[in-house]
Amino acid sequence: GPKVLQIPSHQIIDMGQMVTLNCDPVSNHLYFYWYKQILGQQMEFLVNFYNGKVMEKSKLFKDQFSVERPDGSYFTLKIQPTALEDSAVYFCASSFDGDSYEQYFGPGTRLTVL
Amino acid sequence: AQSVTQPDARVTVSEGASLQLRCKYSSSVTPYLFWYVQYPRQGLQLLLKYYSGDPVVQGVNGFEAEFSKSNSSFHLRKASVHWSDSAVYFCAVSMEGGADRLTFGKGTQLIIQP
Repeated sequence: GPKVLQIPSHQIIDMGQMVTLNCDPVSNHLYFYWYKQILGQQMEFLVNFYNGKVMEKSKLFKDQFSVERPDGSYFTLKIQPTALEDSAVYFCASSFDGDSYEQYFGPGTRLTVL
Repeated sequence: AQSVTQPDARVTVSEGASLQLRCKYSSSVTPYLFWYVQYPRQGLQLLLKYYSGDPVVQGVNGFEAEFSKSNSSFHLRKASVHWSDSAVYFCAVSMEGGADRLTFGKGTQLIIQP
């Protein structure tokens, strides 16, 4: 089936640094999402993105977070600066090919902030 | 706001036995309901979804789920499990089923014993 790719699979950085998580969504999808999962807890919605704009964001989507998808390339989540509590697995998803809204998920990027 | 409870963090079943994974939701209106499965080092894959109609929905690989409005539940079942069913299973809801955010439970890890 359609696949969402995420790069890198694991990222370790020092607190205060900037990090960019990359998502390669399904090619003809129009909606994009980021979810965050802290170890042992629920996966939680961060943000969704359509037509070049953030549609909805949760309270977890702090001011230090930003998303973009320049010119149909990677859908990115940038955190600047990072904090210890940003350590989690971040999942990207995409949906809607004009027919189905099913969200397809990537394998996640494990972010460790030291 | 909606929420999802999966009361069993881990379920162990013998191969060939039947399975039920429990999911209860809290919502002011009947949401759209989903079950996802996550295999190691992979993204979430949709097993089945319920929007309306027949409360028993069929999914992939012999899985089915039954919606109960009176119990606010959406339990996942399988008549005979296979070792390859070992994975983490997530129940999720959304309010509109379109590009709306998914709200997940904590997941249930299914372990299949030989």
